[in-house]
Amino acid sequence: GQQLNQSPQSMFIQEGEDVSMNCTSSSIFNTWLWYKQDPGEGPVLLIALYKAGELTSNGRLTAQFGITRKDSFLNISASIPSDVGIYFCAGMNYGGSQGNLIFGKGTKLSVKP
Amino acid sequence: NAGVTQTPKFRILKIGQSMTLQCTQDMNHNYMYWYRQDPGMGLKLIYYSVGAGITDKGEVPNGYNVSRSTTEDFPLRLELAAPSQTSVYFCASNFRTGALYGYTFGSGTRLTVV
Repeated sequence: GQQLNQSPQSMFIQEGEDVSMNCTSSSIFNTWLWYKQDPGEGPVLLIALYKAGELTSNGRLTAQFGITRKDSFLNISASIPSDVGIYFCAGMNYGGSQGNLIFGKGTKLSVKP
Repeated sequence: NAGVTQTPKFRILKIGQSMTLQCTQDMNHNYMYWYRQDPGMGLKLIYYSVGAGITDKGEVPNGYNVSRSTTEDFPLRLELAAPSQTSVYFCASNFRTGALYGYTFGSGTRLTVV
């Protein structure tokens, strides 16, 4: 099946620093999604990308859909303590009757005030 | 809007017991999913449904059953609980509008099988 490699596994950064994480796939996706999960909660959608090359921002977050359709990255600028959590990338190929997501294993972000 | 509601939030089962994890959404979404999340791992799809009366297996369906009698409800059934089913279970629903897709997740059910 399709595999997603997400890196890094974890990051420890100082408040105010920028953060970058990425996902690569063994095959192409039509959609890339980035989620954040707080402890004890379900994942919450941050950014959705629907076209190769697309660059989309949501506040301090910026994500890009790679040209090859096999990768995506997420940047967080000027991190703050509430950015702490686990960030997941997810890829999807819509069409047919499925449309289910393939998830990366997550990047755990810790921010020191 | 309540979104996706899962119950219970926590449960401890003994090996061989059965239980049903409940999931309800009030967004009139046709697509619903059950995922499990093991420590340090991403979410893996157990079962999904594209509408009332239609269900299909995901990546890890063994040991589980589902039904979808209404658009709103998508319960997940464990018939003979095993320690390997200790996990956090997430239900999600999905809208599909043209080329746009968005998943909404419930807050999870943490299940321990002892």
